[in-house]
Amino acid sequence: AQSVTQLGSHVSVSEGALVLLRCNYSSSVPPYLFWYVQYPNQGLQLLLKYTTGATLVKGINGFEAEFKKSETSFHLTKPSAHMSDAAEYFCAVSERGNDMRFGAGTRLTVKP
Amino acid sequence: DAEITQSPRHKITETGRQVTLACHQTWNHNNMFWYRQDLGHGLRLIHYSYGVHDTNKGEVSDGYSVSRSNTEDLPLTLESAASSQTSVYFCASSERGLAVAEQFFGPGTRLTVL
Repeated sequence: AQSVTQLGSHVSVSEGALVLLRCNYSSSVPPYLFWYVQYPNQGLQLLLKYTTGATLVKGINGFEAEFKKSETSFHLTKPSAHMSDAAEYFCAVSERGNDMRFGAGTRLTVKP
Repeated sequence: DAEITQSPRHKITETGRQVTLACHQTWNHNNMFWYRQDLGHGLRLIHYSYGVHDTNKGEVSDGYSVSRSNTEDLPLTLESAASSQTSVYFCASSERGLAVAEQFFGPGTRLTVL
């Protein structure tokens, strides 16, 4: 079955610094990959997704992620962190019609 | 605007009681899902439905049941609540197949079982 590992349960960056949230997946077939964001006391919102085609995917709020099959990775990046980016981020994988599996989440803190 | 709502937002109950959590969506989506969120585990799928009268077990379905009598609602029932079911529960819906379509999430229900 598919699975996701998010490296680092907490990441702290300064405002304006690069954001890098790591995600590695395991899947027996070409996967669909997702990043969701959760703000306090809210549900999850989709940031971006990879299905097929271009391996660099751009999402909302300046985030992007690159699918690297050889590294089984789908890391999320943003060139310059903003205070409003502070939230919990979840990586998820789906094996084309089967259930979606989420990682444990990474809490991003942005320092002024 | 279309939305997905959950009720109640907070619930405290006792061990052994039956509890039902409501989920209602106005997106007219065929697919609906229930997840639980626990620290260190992310979200885990409990049950899901691809349409009226269709239900399927997810990763952590023991102790839970769902029924789908219309497009808009997918209530989640805990038959006999246990302390291990203390969690935050999220309902979600999507337009097409689970794998591809974006899932829209409700605000969550925080359930405490004493």
